[in-house]
Amino acid sequence: RKEVEQDPGPFNVPEGATVAFNCTYSNSASQSFFWYRQDCRKEPKLLMSVYSSGNEDGRFTAQLNRASQYISLLIRDSKLSDSATYLCVVRDSGGYQKVTFGTGTKLQVIP
Amino acid sequence: ETGVTQTPRHLVMGMTNKKSLKCEQHLGHNAMYWYKQSAKKPLELMFVYSLEERVENNSVPSRFSPECPNSSHLFLHLHTLQPEDSALYLCASSLWGGQSTDTQYFGPGTRLTVL
Repeated sequence: RKEVEQDPGPFNVPEGATVAFNCTYSNSASQSFFWYRQDCRKEPKLLMSVYSSGNEDGRFTAQLNRASQYISLLIRDSKLSDSATYLCVVRDSGGYQKVTFGTGTKLQVIP
Repeated sequence: ETGVTQTPRHLVMGMTNKKSLKCEQHLGHNAMYWYKQSAKKPLELMFVYSLEERVENNSVPSRFSPECPNSSHLFLHLHTLQPEDSALYLCASSLWGGQSTDTQYFGPGTRLTVL
C-alpha cells in the first residue's frame, strides 16, 4: 500500500460545481496534514493545513478522519482558476518528522 | 514571490558533464530540502538539511551530492547523470524540520534534461 494515496483524476467539472478529493494515508501515527496546489510546470504551494476539527478557508474546506486515515478537500463554486493538481501531504511523528507527498489529483474546471 | 529562488531554471546536460543547482531562501528558515519530481510520480525527498547539517538522505545515488554552506543556501552537485535523472528538481525551505506545524515553501524548480 502506498504511504499516501490519491485518485490521480482528472476531475473535469463545470464552473460553479462542488468537487471533493480524498487522500488516504497508511501510517496511523501521522501527525499533521496539508493540501498543496501545483499549477502546470510550477512549484507546489501550500493551500491549507488540515486540522482535526476540520477547517475552512473561503470556498475550500478540509477535513481529517483519523479513524479511517483519510483527509478530504472540498471546493465549492469552482472557478476556472482552480484548475491545478492538488497534492496531499502527510507529516509523520517523531524524529525528523518525514513528509510524504501524494501523486496529486488533477482538477480541470470547464467553462 | 521570491522567498525561495533556484538557478538555473532549465538545464540540459550530457551524461559526462558536471553541473550544480543552486537554491537560496530569503525567509529566515533553518531547514532546506531537495526534492525530485518525475512525471506521474509523487515528489521524492532527496536530502534534508537542518541548521546546515544533513538530517535525511533518502538513499540517493552518489552522482547527486548536496552542499549546504549556510542556512540560506543549498546546492546540488551533479555528475555522470543518467537520462532517467531528467526531472524537475525542487528546493524547499521551512522554519525548522522538527515541528508538526512546520510548512515547506518551494522554489520554482530546475527542469533538468540529461541527454
